[in-house]
Amino acid sequence: NAGVTQTPKFRILKIGQSMTLQCTQDMNHNYMYWYRQDPGMGLKLIYYSVGAGITDKGEVPNGYNVSRSTTEDFPLRLELAAPSQTSVYFCASRPLRRNEGGELFFGEGSRLTVL
Amino acid sequence: AQSVSQHNHHVILSEAASLELGCNYSYGGTVNLFWYVQYPGQHLQLLLKYFSGDPLVKGIKGFEAEFIKSKFSFNLRKPSVQWSDTAEYFCAVNSNTDKLIFGTGTRLQVFP
Repeated sequence: NAGVTQTPKFRILKIGQSMTLQCTQDMNHNYMYWYRQDPGMGLKLIYYSVGAGITDKGEVPNGYNVSRSTTEDFPLRLELAAPSQTSVYFCASRPLRRNEGGELFFGEGSRLTVL
Repeated sequence: AQSVSQHNHHVILSEAASLELGCNYSYGGTVNLFWYVQYPGQHLQLLLKYFSGDPLVKGIKGFEAEFIKSKFSFNLRKPSVQWSDTAEYFCAVNSNTDKLIFGTGTRLQVFP
């Protein structure tokens, strides 16, 4: 059981380039999330999705886009990379019903550097 | 909007010392509360959670947390820390929304 899988694990981008961080989960979870983690700032929610075809903005959505065409996949796209997007990105998922635990299951993270 | 505050940014302890990490949230309604741990180079893992019932919650590795509704707090405790507890600890709150909001984290260093 793979859980939440993120690719790539590391990436260096030049300013203005675009890229997509991939996230796949095999637990049939309805909810999926993208967070970024910066030193001393904790985790900030970028976007989230409550199911296929439904996405919503989190705390820091500017500069990012997401889509959710299937239950399993929730890619995060950076269209015009900026140095401020240098961060570690975590994808997470959880089941639909909160009483099933409510906890998030995290991927291993993707470290992105924009130079 | 809900928010989470962790006032201890960096805590340094010797092995066998007792630990208490503070967490306060700002939301007046029903909340679900979590503590996550992130060991160096790893992703976040759940330590413990509170949904309802007994406000004293026990988690893995000897950790516990107490929900005090009147103080909007959910402090994490461990009677005797070990070197292997060196990690970053995050408090998180969900207030019947779809979003889980995290605090800024507390970095714990335990020296032998």
